Amino acid sequence: AAGVIQSPRHLIKEKRETATLKCYPIPRHDTVYWYQQGPGQDPQFLISFYEKMQSDKGSIPDRFSAQQFSDYHSELNMSSLELGDSALYFCASSLGGQGGYGYTFGSGTRLTVV
Amino acid sequence: GESVGLHLPTLSVQEGDNSIINCAYSNSASDYFIWYKQESGKGPQFIIDIRSNMDKRQGQRVTVLLNKTVKHLSLQIAATQPGDSAVYFCAEILTGNQFYFGTGTSLTVIP
Repeated sequence: AAGVIQSPRHLIKEKRETATLKCYPIPRHDTVYWYQQGPGQDPQFLISFYEKMQSDKGSIPDRFSAQQFSDYHSELNMSSLELGDSALYFCASSLGGQGGYGYTFGSGTRLTVV
Repeated sequence: GESVGLHLPTLSVQEGDNSIINCAYSNSASDYFIWYKQESGKGPQFIIDIRSNMDKRQGQRVTVLLNKTVKHLSLQIAATQPGDSAVYFCAEILTGNQFYFGTGTSLTVIP
């Protein structure tokens, strides 16, 4: 079965550079969520989109932005990268907005800022 | 934010024994809970979910128990296998689609 696809799997950037992470939800899923997971930490919610509109916002820094496109894929744009941004970034998708039906995580993008 | 936490950060069990992982949540209005398993370097993997109108749900080798009175959630794994070694998170869904994850419990299965 198709899963949530994230790209790239690994990314190395220098401080103050920008990065773009992509997430392709499960087909027919209309809701996308982004999480940041630091080493040894639980995933922290960043932001979510439902039907291409931002539906909820968590601890996303102002340096980051995200959007959901007409094909429901989402991109997380990260600017002025800092060393502390090094983490695993997970995307998840679900169907129908509230309730998290079919909530499934991707394998994540490991971002390393040097 | 809301607090969803696990009582024990680590748990070691013998292969074949049953495992019980506990989780406390703080928002009595939450109506949906999920247990996830996360292996090193991988994304959280859905194990089992439960809605607040239930107190027990069983899957294959796993059972989730929900006690709304004391806001407590547990995951029971029967006949624990080495492949069950991972970090386990409980997650609580609040309004607005936001999941709150508790601090993971690292389960180690001793062969």
